[in-house]
Formats: sequence, C-alpha cells, structure tokens
Amino acid sequence: GQNIDQPTEMTATEGAIVQINCTYQTSGFNGLFWYQQHAGEAPTFLSYNVLDGLEEKGRFSSFLSRSKGYSYLLLKELQMKDSASYLCAVKDSNYQLIWGAGTKLIIKP
Amino acid sequence: IAGITQAPTSQILAAGRRMTLRCTQDMRHNAMYWYRQDLGLGLRLIHYSNTAGTTGKGEVPDGYSVSRANTDDFPLTLASAVPSQTSVYFCASSDSSGGNNEQFFGPGTRLTVL
Repeated sequence: GQNIDQPTEMTATEGAIVQINCTYQTSGFNGLFWYQQHAGEAPTFLSYNVLDGLEEKGRFSSFLSRSKGYSYLLLKELQMKDSASYLCAVKDSNYQLIWGAGTKLIIKP
Repeated sequence: IAGITQAPTSQILAAGRRMTLRCTQDMRHNAMYWYRQDLGLGLRLIHYSNTAGTTGKGEVPDGYSVSRANTDDFPLTLASAVPSQTSVYFCASSDSSGGNNEQFFGPGTRLTVL
C-alpha cells in the first residue's frame, strides 16, 4: 500500500528553526509537495521537489532524498503566523497526490 | 472572481437526501479534483478529471459521482447521503495532472449528515 508518515504535532519557539520530516512509500514517484493549511482554511502550496537536494524559498526550504523515501521542510525565523498544519504529499505513478495526515505546528512566544 | 470557488460554505443534511456540492474555477485549468478531509487522516481523493469531458475514480469514490461538462465546473453529487460522508470537502484544480503542477484549492464545504 501507499503510505506517507509525518509527526502529528510539533511545538517550536518564535524566532527559532523547526524541521518537519516526511517519509513515504508509494507506487512510483513523480515529485513531492509541501502545503500549508491554517485552521479552517484551504491548503496552499509551499514547495515542490523532484530531484534530490535542497530547494530554498525565503524562510522555507525543502529537502528530498529519493533513495531514502524522505523529505523535510525547514522553517527558519519562525513567526506566530507560521502556526498551521504542514501537509506532505507525493505524486504517484498515476500522477495522483497521496497525502500525509499533516503536522500541526504550534509556535510559542 | 479569481481562483476557485465552492458552494455552499457549509450544509447540514438529513441522511438519505441528495446533495450537490458546486465547484467553479476561472483559471482555465485542465485538471480538477475532489477531496475529503477528515480529522487525523490525509486528504483523500474522491474523483478527478484530467480534462473536460473525462472523469476518473480516486481512492474513495463510493457514494459520490461527478461530471465535467465544461472546463470551469466540476460538481460533486451525493446521491443518498450517509453519516460517514460528514466531512470537509475541498475542490482543487491544476494546469495539468503531470509533473510540478501545483494544485490550487477552493475554500471548502463543511458537510454534516445527520
């Protein structure tokens, strides 16, 4: 079966750095996406990785290792507005997204 | 409008009733999707459409039907609602289904079936 694993919840301090991990087992791989979802709102796109390595976009970076079936999202200089759920999703061999359950990130002052 | 809209925002429905959730996008995207989101679970794909006139089944299609008569609209119908269909429903669209095409999401419909 297909499976995406991420921690259920994480807590971090404003101004700090946090790393959210995602491991996956899917039938085929056509890229990995990270989305942000604030409570009661729709998911919004953060990043896309298809090749191994680090993609940096401002305060957010995403890393992929295809051989290990592993990705992480790195958030720097945390702000209170970063409190949200972070969703990892893998595009499988049918080009459909398989979603993890999401990691709820709580930012404390 | 700009983006993707859904209606209604929320609905309480008696079991056994028929219900259609509406989704419209103005981005001229080819691909559209319906997901349900339940607490503790990832988004699950119900049905999708790679282009107008075609539809496909996702992971959890039972009890739902869709149509794609044109590019912009992708309604989801529950023929006879059951309490297990209580969920938040998101419609999404993307330029195409392949590669790095990100999906854009509507604001969601919160459906309660009693």
